[in-house]
Amino acid sequence: DGGITQSPKYLFRKEGQNVTLSCEQNLNHDAMYWYRQDPGQGLRLIYYSQIVNDFQKGDIAEGYSVSREKKESFPLTVTSAQKNPTAFYLCASSIAAWGSGNTEAFFGQGTRLTVV
Amino acid sequence: EDQVTQSPEALRLQEGESSSLNCSYTVSGLRGLFWYRQDPGKGPEFLFTLYSAGEEKEKERLKATLTKKESFLHITAPKPEDSATYLCAVQARGAGNMLTFGGGTRLMVKP
Repeated sequence: DGGITQSPKYLFRKEGQNVTLSCEQNLNHDAMYWYRQDPGQGLRLIYYSQIVNDFQKGDIAEGYSVSREKKESFPLTVTSAQKNPTAFYLCASSIAAWGSGNTEAFFGQGTRLTVV
Repeated sequence: EDQVTQSPEALRLQEGESSSLNCSYTVSGLRGLFWYRQDPGKGPEFLFTLYSAGEEKEKERLKATLTKKESFLHITAPKPEDSATYLCAVQARGAGNMLTFGGGTRLMVKP
């Protein structure tokens, strides 16, 4: 089955620790994205990547880092510099970052990160 | 700056009671407007894309419409399984495929 797989589903982090959230897609999509969702709120863009070995900051990139070494994978690291990391993290992908038509993004099932 | 505002924040309906959700947007050149459904603890599920004013799309009990300033998601004769949060997002020209989301409308349909 084609889709986007995020792992783990739940993650607990101690203050001062870095943690990495996994996102893998087998849809052959060029573009991948990380969003953060806080309770009762919409999604906010953290980072996005339009092509392998390239990525750009979104609206709330401070305290986060990413890599895009393979087309299928776009891991997100939440660093100790992120002041309020407890949130629901969503990874998404779309066919291409540019061009017309079929521009919708498809989402994984999310990772809920809690700082303990 | 692109902005998306959804109303109401929450909506309670009786089963069979039709209604509409609103998505108002400000964007520097609309490339596309998207509707998603999100169940608690899950990722958003894609519903519709609308590209130009006057466009309409339907799926079962849902119908999405688009004007130059807003989009409506009409729900006809809803069932309890339609209960979810509905998210609206816009995509601006020249901004790749990045989406700007509204805060969502939480729909509760009581049997």
